[in-house]
Amino acid sequence: AQRVTQPEKLLSVFKGAPVELKCNYSYSGSPELFWYVQYSRQRLQLLLRHISRESIKGFTADLNKGETSFHLKKPFAQEEDSAMYYCALKRGGNTPLVFGKGTRLSVIA
Amino acid sequence: NAGVTQTPKFQVLKTGQSMTLQCAQDMNHNSMYWYRQDPGMGLRLIYYSASEGTTDKGEVPNGYNVSRLNKREFSLRLESAAPSQTSVYFCAGRQGTTYEQYFGPGTRLTVT
Repeated sequence: AQRVTQPEKLLSVFKGAPVELKCNYSYSGSPELFWYVQYSRQRLQLLLRHISRESIKGFTADLNKGETSFHLKKPFAQEEDSAMYYCALKRGGNTPLVFGKGTRLSVIA
Repeated sequence: NAGVTQTPKFQVLKTGQSMTLQCAQDMNHNSMYWYRQDPGMGLRLIYYSASEGTTDKGEVPNGYNVSRLNKREFSLRLESAAPSQTSVYFCAGRQGTTYEQYFGPGTRLTVT
């Protein structure tokens, strides 16, 4: 079965510290992975996708097929990074994304 | 271009009452989705519509029904609300097999 696991419900870091939000997936096919972010009282929005291999707001994520992981990283956390982060998996065809349970990131000043 | 819109933003129901959550999009999405968001449970798919005229159950469909009225609109109905349905409901849309899902602002529903 397809599954996305985010082991941390809550992650607290100090401003300026490195951040790593973990995401592991299980899928037998060729996966496409994404990170979505939800800032306080805002709608979910796409943060980044593994295909583009880009850095958005200082965040990067590398797909590691050997470890079936797609961890989200940022070298220096900012207070405005505080939000709920969801990892999502796209399976083949026109099927819904599979979301993890989310990790709430709290950046402490 | 309004994107994905939802009405109402807030709603309080008594147990047993019914209501319909409305979702509309002007982004030419073929697929539309309803999720509920609960603390510690993340986003769970209730129902989805891969194309106009089709609907399918998601992970947690019990107690809900949906209607894909046309390409733009996808409504979620609670026939007999229960306190367990207290949640934040999000509608989302996606164009075909492209990967980005666009979300609405959410509806915060409380059932007492």
